[in-house]
Amino acid sequence: AQSVTQLDSQVPVFEEAPVELRCNYSSSVSVYLFWYVQYPNQGLQLLLKYLSGSTLVKGINGFEAEFNKSQTSFHLRKPSVHISDTAEYFCAVSGSGTYKYIFGTGTRLKVLA
Amino acid sequence: DAGVIQSPRHEVTEMGQEVTLRCKPISGHDYLFWYRQTMMRGLELLIYFNNNVPIDDSGMPEDRFSAKMPNASFSTLKIQPSEPRDSAVYFCASTYGQNTEAFFGQGTRLTVV
Repeated sequence: AQSVTQLDSQVPVFEEAPVELRCNYSSSVSVYLFWYVQYPNQGLQLLLKYLSGSTLVKGINGFEAEFNKSQTSFHLRKPSVHISDTAEYFCAVSGSGTYKYIFGTGTRLKVLA
Repeated sequence: DAGVIQSPRHEVTEMGQEVTLRCKPISGHDYLFWYRQTMMRGLELLIYFNNNVPIDDSGMPEDRFSAKMPNASFSTLKIQPSEPRDSAVYFCASTYGQNTEAFFGQGTRLTVV
C-alpha cells in the first residue's frame, strides 16, 4: 500500500523569501511522485512530476522538487515566493502496478507582504 | 479540448434525496478518478476506472455511493440517500495511460442539509 505524508498543514512565509514544503511517502513498489497546486475554488493543476531519471525536477512557476529515495521524500522548494503563490499544495504518489493516485492532506502556503 | 468537465458546480440538497454528479473526461483519456475533498480528510480517492471498467472502488465510503462509466466520455457518481456528512467537494480527474499527469475538473461542491 502507498501513503503520503505532508507534515505541515500551513506554512506562512514572507514575500521573496524561500520556501520548502515537505512530503514523505511510503511504498513497496517503484513510485511516481507529483506536486499539484490548488487555487481557491478551483481544481488541482500539476506543478511538477518525477517519473524517473534526474532526481531534481523543475516545474512551473519556478518550483522544483528533489526525489530522495533513501529518505523517501519529495520536498517542494522555491527560492523566492510571490503573493500569487498563495494556494494549497498537494503531494501525490502513484506506483508501479497500481495506477491510483494517493494524495497527501495538503499544505496551505500563505505568502505575506 | 475543454478539459475535464464536471456538473453541476454546486448542489444543495436535502438529507435523504438522491444526488448525481457528472463528469466528462478529456477525450482519449483512458483512466478516470473520482475524489472527495473535505477539510478533515483531505483528498480521498473513491473509485477509478480504466477503459470504462471500475478497477478499484475500495475508497467508496458505503453502499449509498455508486459510480458508473457507461462510455468513454461520461461518468456519474450517485449518492442515495444523501446525508449531511456527504457534504464535500467532489472532483473528477482523468489521465492518458498510467502514472501520467492527472487533469482535474473544477469540482462539484455538494451541500446536504
